[in-house]
Amino acid sequence: QVSLKESGPVLVKPKETLTLTCTVSGFSLSSGRMGVSWIRQPPGRALEWLAHIFSDDEKSYNTSVNSRVTISKDTSKSQVVLTMTNVDPVDTATYFCARIPLTHFAYDMDVWGKGTKVTVSS
Amino acid sequence: DIQMTQSPSSVSASVGDRVTITCRASRDIGNWLAWYQQKPGKAPQLLIYAASSLQSGAPSRFSGSGSGTDFSLTISGLQPEDFATYYCQQSTGFPLTFGGGTKVEIK
Repeated sequence: QVSLKESGPVLVKPKETLTLTCTVSGFSLSSGRMGVSWIRQPPGRALEWLAHIFSDDEKSYNTSVNSRVTISKDTSKSQVVLTMTNVDPVDTATYFCARIPLTHFAYDMDVWGKGTKVTVSS
Repeated sequence: DIQMTQSPSSVSASVGDRVTITCRASRDIGNWLAWYQQKPGKAPQLLIYAASSLQSGAPSRFSGSGSGTDFSLTISGLQPEDFATYYCQQSTGFPLTFGGGTKVEIK
């Protein structure tokens, strides 16, 4: 069964670096054009896509956070890591990771993690 | 970036009603559109992909239509478990973008 699980700190101080980990199971991060995206959702607001990494390590970023965000993966650990530098209170959100299998030749997200809540505050 | 605009932002409806939500893209995206359902405190779930294809496990009362820039999601016979927020997402390429969401509330 395919699943994804996010983990990381609950509270981060402004200007610090946030590191979130998505641990996947039931599929390989190295197969086909399988990929994982990170998406966030501020309290009471809409979803915002942040970054994506493909099985061949190709990456794509949202330009709104491009200079502060890095996505990487460790295939042996089945993990995808999102790093966000210089965080601000506006980065307070629930962060989700989701699989994009490209089985329909489109970038839709068929399985999501439950999300992890991150608060940026001093 | 492709902007996605949903309407209405909220709708009140009763069990058994037919509800239609619309989504407009800022440019032609073919049929590369997905719809998600999100319940409070939960992750979104994929309902529809490629504008009109029902995701495995999604109830058949959900249907999608449209192409180009104008799309719609219809719930035929609203059930109590359908009260949630619905998002569209263009799936044609990066950067991926979502609509602002439509909250379906109980009348």
